[in-house]
Amino acid sequence: ELKVEQNPLFLSMQEGKNYTIYCNYSTTSDRLYWYRQDPGKSLESLFVLLSNGAVKQEGRLMASLDTKARLSTLHITAAVHDLSATYFCAVAPTNAGKSTFGDGTTLTVKP
Amino acid sequence: DVKVTQSSRYLVKRTGEKVFLECVQDMDHENMFWYRQDPGLGLRLIYFSYDVKMKEKGDIPEGYSVSREKKERFSLILESASTNQTSMYLCASSSDRDSKEGVGGRLFFGSGTQLSVL
Repeated sequence: ELKVEQNPLFLSMQEGKNYTIYCNYSTTSDRLYWYRQDPGKSLESLFVLLSNGAVKQEGRLMASLDTKARLSTLHITAAVHDLSATYFCAVAPTNAGKSTFGDGTTLTVKP
Repeated sequence: DVKVTQSSRYLVKRTGEKVFLECVQDMDHENMFWYRQDPGLGLRLIYFSYDVKMKEKGDIPEGYSVSREKKERFSLILESASTNQTSMYLCASSSDRDSKEGVGGRLFFGSGTQLSVL
């Protein structure tokens, strides 16, 4: 059974600081996703990582994938209040299609 | 932009009622999914479908069924609603074309239905 673990589950940051969210998964997969959920809203796709060593960046967020370690990271650079949200990673095993989600990391960025 | 529309944002039902949650997507996606989201439990997959009239059980199918008579519509049915089915229900779709184009099956979510069973 595929398990996806995120840590930390809650993160409170000061504006301007850097931090990393970690996503570990238990079985071989070739697709990893990051999603963002704002309070009271649905999820929207941030990044799709399809191969070992893949790195994607959008603004202050950068995601990477190490398939050998079964680890993805979401790095936040110089956090701003607008980044406050819950971030989910999700993994889809090869050819399975369906995604298994981590529990989410709730990020709060304080002035 | 892909649009996934869920018929109700909030729904209140009584224990024992039959409940239908409807989901429609407008981008000709092959794959559709129903998740429920609960505090502390994350998102859990209930059922999914890769094609019209086909369905597969997810991780927590008990107490639910689904219907996919048309490609764009995927319905979740609670046969006899119970209080432990009070939850946020999220519908999502994805495209096989995304996989071929290297974007890898990302999910597009509807806005969710918050169901309360009293």
